[in-house]
Formats: sequence, C-alpha cells, structure tokens
Amino acid sequence: ILNVEQSPQSLHVQEGDSTNFTCSFPSSNFYALHWYRWETAKSPEALFVMTLNGDEKKKGRISATLNTKEGYSYLYIKGSQPEDSATYLCAFLIQGAQKLVFGQGTRLTINP
Amino acid sequence: EADIYQTPRYLVIGTGKKITLECSQTMGHDKMYWYQQDPGMELHLIHYSYGVNSTEKGDLSSESTVSRIRTEHFPLTLESARPSHTSQYLCASMVSGANVLTFGAGSRLTVL
Repeated sequence: ILNVEQSPQSLHVQEGDSTNFTCSFPSSNFYALHWYRWETAKSPEALFVMTLNGDEKKKGRISATLNTKEGYSYLYIKGSQPEDSATYLCAFLIQGAQKLVFGQGTRLTINP
Repeated sequence: EADIYQTPRYLVIGTGKKITLECSQTMGHDKMYWYQQDPGMELHLIHYSYGVNSTEKGDLSSESTVSRIRTEHFPLTLESARPSHTSQYLCASMVSGANVLTFGAGSRLTVL
C-alpha cells in the first residue's frame, strides 16, 4: 500500500510571514507529484504537477520543489495572506497507474 | 466556474434509505473518480472509470456502487445507508494524458 505523508497536519501562521510544509512519498516508480489547494466549501484545485527531479514551480507567492530520489516535495508560501487559508493536499502518481494517492493534507490558517 | 457538478451538496438521511450521489462533468473527460474523505483523513479512492461501461473498485473498500452509462455522468449509489457511510464524497475527472484532476465541490453525507 502506497503511503503519502504530509506534515504538519495543521499550521497557524501570522499574516505576512512565510511558511512551508512537506509531502513525503515513495521514491520508487515515481511518475508525478501533484499539489492541490482546497478552500472551505469549494472544490480542490490543482496548484502544481511536478514530474522531474529538481523541478521547481511557482505560481505567484506559492512555489514547490521536488526531490524524487529521496521522496519529498516542499510547498512554500511567501508573505502569507488570509486568502491562503486552505488545506493543501499532495498526491502521488505511480508509474503505470492512473490513480492518485493522496496525503491527509496540511490545514493552513493565516491569522490577520 | 465549476465544470464538474455534484448533487446534493449536503444530505442527512436515515439508516436503510437508498441514496444516489450525482456527478456530472461537461468537459468530455474520459476518466472519472469517486473519493471518500473522513474528517482529518486522506482522500481515499473508492471507485473509478476509464470510460463508458468501465468501472473499477478503488483502493478503499466501499459498499457503494457506480455506473458509467454516459461519458459525462458517474453516479454513486448506496442501496442501504448506514451511519458508517457518513463522510464526504468527492467526484473528480481527468482527461487522458493530462494527469490533473478536476474536482467537484463534494457531497457531505450524514446517515442517522
């Protein structure tokens, strides 16, 4: 059974501070790593799809890095804003499969 | 703007009732998925479909059933609801080759 671990489970950050959290996944048979943002009462939406070791992707104040050899990805948020409050999910796609395995998410709350 | 629609968003129902959670997408995606999420837990895949008349069970055993008679429609049915079925159910779709999920807003089911 594939295991995707996210830490921390929850995080409170002061507005304006930067933060980061981790997704750990199996390093063998890697195909892709996804990050999704899930705001309360809305649908999860895709942030990044990462496939190459060393990949770094950026979307505004949010960026992510990928290390497939050691099996982890970091998500960074610079200068947190209240609208960043959400649950951030990572999901792992194994080579040859069409199914994503999700972590339990990191619930981020930005305090004004 | 949602391209994948789930109804009902919220449902409170008594034990033993039959329920159907609807999921429709307007994007022509061939792959569709049902995930179940208990509070604080991972999204678990319970059913998926790679096209019309194709359905498979996911990684988490579920007493629910699904059908895929039309590309755009992937309903989930519980013949006899029980309190253990209380959970959030998320529908998602993906086009082959893209490997990015588009999610619905979810159906939160409570069985009394």
